[in-house]
Amino acid sequence: AQKITQTQPGMFVQEKEAVTLDCTYDTSDPSYGLFWYKQPSSGEMIFLIYQGSYDQQNATEGRYSLNFQKARKSANLVISASQLGDSAMYFCAMRESTGNQFYFGTGTSLTVIP
Amino acid sequence: DSGVTQTPKHLITATGQRVTLRCSPRSGDLSVYWYQQSLDQGLQFLIQYYNGEERAKGNILERFSAQQFPDLHSELNLSSLELGDSALYFCASSYQDGATDTQYFGPGTRLTVL
Repeated sequence: AQKITQTQPGMFVQEKEAVTLDCTYDTSDPSYGLFWYKQPSSGEMIFLIYQGSYDQQNATEGRYSLNFQKARKSANLVISASQLGDSAMYFCAMRESTGNQFYFGTGTSLTVIP
Repeated sequence: DSGVTQTPKHLITATGQRVTLRCSPRSGDLSVYWYQQSLDQGLQFLIQYYNGEERAKGNILERFSAQQFPDLHSELNLSSLELGDSALYFCASSYQDGATDTQYFGPGTRLTVL
């Protein structure tokens, strides 16, 4: 089974609108971390936001927020007020406390339309 | 700028050759991770070192090896190169080694095997 599933290969959003990028994960480890990264066309991987499995509140970082639904094993990224510079690939990732493996999803390509 | 540096930025070599990729982690970070990103395999975790010791292994081929030196920089050695080894190789670093530690990525080394 895939550890991280991103079901949206491509998404489009109008500038200034909000967009949600989906991510579901699979783990039996009670302690894990969930991460979102952005990869623009230039290639670098930019850390956006982190959510710990024991965190009670959803993480927020500026225009980024993480909709964490533990029972459903989902960790969707919400980008508010989209900007043209948000056009990029977005990767969801998970690290379990056991095994030290770090798993990435296949990514979602986001295009912001002016 | 994440603070993680990687050299070289680009590398072009021939099949059968051996190359070394170098990574310097962010100041104060003890863990270094190596990843391979290719079009067909996506982003794959290769190996992790923590304070000089190997901590976790992912999908790393036997032709590949890595080490972390006392000054905490790391090198990834790729030998007997094949066309399929052409990819973007990322190094990332984190302060500690836990599931909740955020990894910060370097700009990557783009390897082309001809």
